[in-house]
Amino acid sequence: KAGVTQTPRYLIKTRGQQVTLSCSPISGHRSVSWYQQTPGQGLQFLFEYFSETQRNKGNFPGRFSGRQFSNSRSEMNVSTLELGDSALYLCASSSQGWGDTDTQYFGPGTRLTVL
Amino acid sequence: GEDVEQSLFLSVREGDSSVINCTYTDSSSTYLYWYKQEPGAGLQLLTYIFSNMDMKQDQRLTVLLNKKDKHLSLRIADTQTGDSAIYFCAETLTGGGNKLTFGTGTQLKVEL
Repeated sequence: KAGVTQTPRYLIKTRGQQVTLSCSPISGHRSVSWYQQTPGQGLQFLFEYFSETQRNKGNFPGRFSGRQFSNSRSEMNVSTLELGDSALYLCASSSQGWGDTDTQYFGPGTRLTVL
Repeated sequence: GEDVEQSLFLSVREGDSSVINCTYTDSSSTYLYWYKQEPGAGLQLLTYIFSNMDMKQDQRLTVLLNKKDKHLSLRIADTQTGDSAIYFCAETLTGGGNKLTFGTGTQLKVEL
């Protein structure tokens, strides 16, 4: 089985722009979560989607949004980019969803640099 | 609230055992995990333990969980240079679904 894939792997944007990152989960997995990793704040949970519905959301401003498609692929969008949004964005997938906890498998991440 | 702490750095000699420690504050943990991150890479799931277990062994890895003290450890036997990486503990909580709360990470350096 192919692992979690994320595109693009690297991205450079300027302040004020917006960006869309994509994540394809492991085949058969229906839950997709997003995390932000920075040297200062570490790994922080952004949101989780299951069956096209956002199930859980972290403490990030409304500029961060996401969605999930019927094939379980997910995208996250960051609008009005700030320098502090520079980070590694990681996507994780798991097979379980509502009410269950299951092991999550991570993709390689998208490295976003905001200039 | 959720708070997961780890020591920042650990250095061991090749062939020795490594023990990476983690403490957490929330007693409603369901599962506790150990992930490994190599430079420029994503997170690799190493092992996990259900919160009602005390110990789990998986080849060179041994996980110990002390629920009373809210302490989790990962022992790597016969540590190799390829084990050099950052190790993160993480937990999921009752009612939190798949949301992982991560520790600060421990950089393991294996010296010859």
